[in-house]
Amino acid sequence: GQNIDQPTEMTATEGAIVQINCTYQTSGFNGLFWYQQHAGEAPTFLSYNVLDGLEEKGRFSSFLSRSKGYSYLLLKELQMKDSASYLCVSSSGGYQKVTFGTGTKLQVIP
Amino acid sequence: DAGVIQSPRHEVTEMGQEVTLRCKPISGHNSLFWYRQTMMRGLELLIYFNNNVPIDDSGMPEDRFSAKMPNASFSTLKIQPSEPRDSAVYFCASSPRDLGADTQYFGPGTRLTVL
Repeated sequence: GQNIDQPTEMTATEGAIVQINCTYQTSGFNGLFWYQQHAGEAPTFLSYNVLDGLEEKGRFSSFLSRSKGYSYLLLKELQMKDSASYLCVSSSGGYQKVTFGTGTKLQVIP
Repeated sequence: DAGVIQSPRHEVTEMGQEVTLRCKPISGHNSLFWYRQTMMRGLELLIYFNNNVPIDDSGMPEDRFSAKMPNASFSTLKIQPSEPRDSAVYFCASSPRDLGADTQYFGPGTRLTVL
């Protein structure tokens, strides 16, 4: 089966750094996506990790540990527009089926 | 590129009525997905197609739901008869190759309300 856990809500201050954690239990695991979804909008792709380690992309970085079933999304220099839900998504199986977590709603405050 | 196109954007219907949601994927994309999103259950994959063929429909809630992809540029999700618990936002997404191996591009969604 597939199971993804991430915090429901987080609050952080503009200009700060925030880390959103995700643990997964996925048979036939292939890789881990992070998507961003603003309220009332569609999800948009942020990152995809297949190998262990940290991948940096501008203000956003994503980390994966396959042995621990753990990932995090790191957001630096937070901006008000970063207020959104962040979805942890696992890919598994021969057809690489994706399973979405319920998302972490991040609120950035001044 | 226009992105993934969905219609209608909003649909309000009465219980028992048939509802048809439409999707046009990004040209050249081989995979198409239908999702349902609610506050309680988050984003759920209903069905996905690869090269117009349904690969996995295990997420389709019950026989009232059906999906078709008659060609590479069009797909429908039909609910018949609709029930109030079907109220949700339905997203269509497409990706260039196989499921999961590539970024999925989401349409704007259809917000369905069943009274």
